Amino acid sequence: QVQLVQSGAEVKKPGASVKVSCKASGYTFTGYYMHWVRQAPGQGHEWMGFINPKNGVTDYAQKFQGRVTMTRDTSISTAYMELSRLRSDDTAVYYCVPSGNWAYYFDYWGQGTLVTVSS
Amino acid sequence: EIVLTQSPGTVSLSPGERATLSCRASQSVSSSDLAWYQQKPGQAPRLLIYGASSRAAGVPDRFSGSGSGTDFSLTISRLEPEDFAVYYCQQYGTSPLTFGGGTKVEIK
Repeated sequence: QVQLVQSGAEVKKPGASVKVSCKASGYTFTGYYMHWVRQAPGQGHEWMGFINPKNGVTDYAQKFQGRVTMTRDTSISTAYMELSRLRSDDTAVYYCVPSGNWAYYFDYWGQGTLVTVSS
Repeated sequence: EIVLTQSPGTVSLSPGERATLSCRASQSVSSSDLAWYQQKPGQAPRLLIYGASSRAAGVPDRFSGSGSGTDFSLTISRLEPEDFAVYYCQQYGTSPLTFGGGTKVEIK
């Protein structure tokens, strides 16, 4: 069965960076894009972008261009999302979500990683 | 970007009643590339519908989706106790992918 296990909660100061990991199992890691979606407390969802684990090609939402970096390590079926220059409004739960290569809806979700940005 | 507006924001219903949730897009959604999710407190979203009207695996048939272009809806034919949650629509036909603000279905 598909499992997506994310790294634990983080507390960061404004201006710092955070790197969240997502270890995938139960499917062919390189066969599906990996997206990152975040949800601020009491808010809706925000798509950040995706990485193609097969070749490392990325597509970031314009809002996050220059601040987000998505990478992967195919040897351990793990995707990473690093967000820099953190602000208080980056406080959110961050999810990794795989999708097919042509239709970006999300059958499976990681358990979420809470990132709190506070001075 | 395509803005998705969900209505109502909250609906109060009793078990056994029918729920109809709306999702309106600011521009046409390509190829009916619209999904619906259910989310309960402290949990990740659960996929219910994709392609506007196709049920995801394991989703009960009391959930149905319809619509095209800019107007979509999710119907729950008879509410079960476990259906009280927040429901979100998402369009994936045009980048950036966007989500609606959600409709909370609460017990009356």
